Amino acid sequence: NAGVTQTPKFRILKIGQSMTLQCTQDMNHNYMYWYRQDPGMGLKLIYYSVGAGITDKGEVPNGYNVSRSTTEDFPLRLELAAPSQTSVYFCASSSGQYYGYTFGSGTRLTVV
Amino acid sequence: AQTVTQSQPEMSVQEAETVTLSCTYDTSESDYYLFWYKQPPSRQMILVIRQEAYKQQNATENRFSVNFQKAAKSFSLKISDSQLGDAAMYFCAYRSAPVGGATNKLIFGTGTLLAVQP
Repeated sequence: NAGVTQTPKFRILKIGQSMTLQCTQDMNHNYMYWYRQDPGMGLKLIYYSVGAGITDKGEVPNGYNVSRSTTEDFPLRLELAAPSQTSVYFCASSSGQYYGYTFGSGTRLTVV
Repeated sequence: AQTVTQSQPEMSVQEAETVTLSCTYDTSESDYYLFWYKQPPSRQMILVIRQEAYKQQNATENRFSVNFQKAAKSFSLKISDSQLGDAAMYFCAYRSAPVGGATNKLIFGTGTLLAVQP
């Protein structure tokens, strides 16, 4: 049982480049989330989804986009990367609103 | 809006001793869930323990237990018989109970870095 799989684990981008962070889960969870983690700041919600075809903004959505075409996949798109997007990104999923999340192993992104 | 505060950026404990990590939260809601997550150097976020606000009994998972004080809005984590593998960043998190179809997300504190001394 793989749980939540994120790729890549590390990436260096140049300013202005774009990339997609991949996230897939095999637990048939309806709820999926993207967070970013900055030192001393905890985790901040970027986007979330309550099911295929349904997404919504979180606390810090600017500079990002998401899509949810299937239950399993929830990719995060960075357009025109900026140094402020240097962070560790976590994808997570949940089976329902009464439970905690299952997290992926994170992606460390550096924008130079 | 709900907030979660962890006032101890760093803590240290001797191996086999007990340590308590503090967490307070601010909410006007009566029904919610509280969590502690562990993040070791591997970066993986691991659920340690979960508490339901309507339950008076404090949650326990092996060496991990919580002291949930609803009126004081306090949710501390106690780690007994600390082990070297307990060294990690610990995050406290809050989640509202679902009401009216609203989708409620985890709100995290800023974390406490726990060092375990041999």
